[in-house]
Amino acid sequence: GENVEQHPSTLSVQEGDSAVIKCTYSDSASNYFPWYKQELGKRPQLIIDIRSNVGEKKDQRIAVTLNKTAKHFSLHITETQPEDSAVYFCAASEGGLTGGGNKLTFGTGTQLKVEL
Amino acid sequence: SAVISQKPSRDICQRGTSLTIQCQVDSQVTMMFWYRQQPGQSLTLIATANQGSEATYESGFVIDKFPISRPNLTFSTLTVSNMSPEDSSIYLCSVRTGELFFGEGSRLTVL
Repeated sequence: GENVEQHPSTLSVQEGDSAVIKCTYSDSASNYFPWYKQELGKRPQLIIDIRSNVGEKKDQRIAVTLNKTAKHFSLHITETQPEDSAVYFCAASEGGLTGGGNKLTFGTGTQLKVEL
Repeated sequence: SAVISQKPSRDICQRGTSLTIQCQVDSQVTMMFWYRQQPGQSLTLIATANQGSEATYESGFVIDKFPISRPNLTFSTLTVSNMSPEDSSIYLCSVRTGELFFGEGSRLTVL
């Protein structure tokens, strides 16, 4: 089955700096890669996702890049703010995204702390 | 999008007892997913609940320990049976309508 590795496990940055979180996956058939943000005591929520037919996607201060050859993808947050402090999870979908269906395998998570 | 209601939101349970978690979705979905999140850990898929058929369990999870019901396209239950302190976790119901949406989770503490 799919295996997703995520680094670093913790990341501390100064407000205004950029943060980068990296993930690798094992199943070359995976073609959907979402990122989730989980604030303390709350449910994970999708912040951005990318499919294998594109190499990069941006949404305001966040961007995700995908290298299918190397089987890795990264989350980039620019101009970090204290409210960006949370745990971030990457994930990969085995066999691609179809209808209501395939399961996601999650990375181990990155605790991001944005310091004033 | 999907709105998912889970209950209980939290509970404290005694060792050896069982607890059933309910999950209600505001739209009909083919599959519902149950995840476990142990303290400070990632999300691990327990099983996929399909309406009208038995749930599909991931490696390391068995039906006797985590029986699942799926009586219709908007509802599912997960039971955590014969609980031990190692079962203390957050259990999350989720559905996929485009993206994967999670319920608020049920935080179980087993004493």
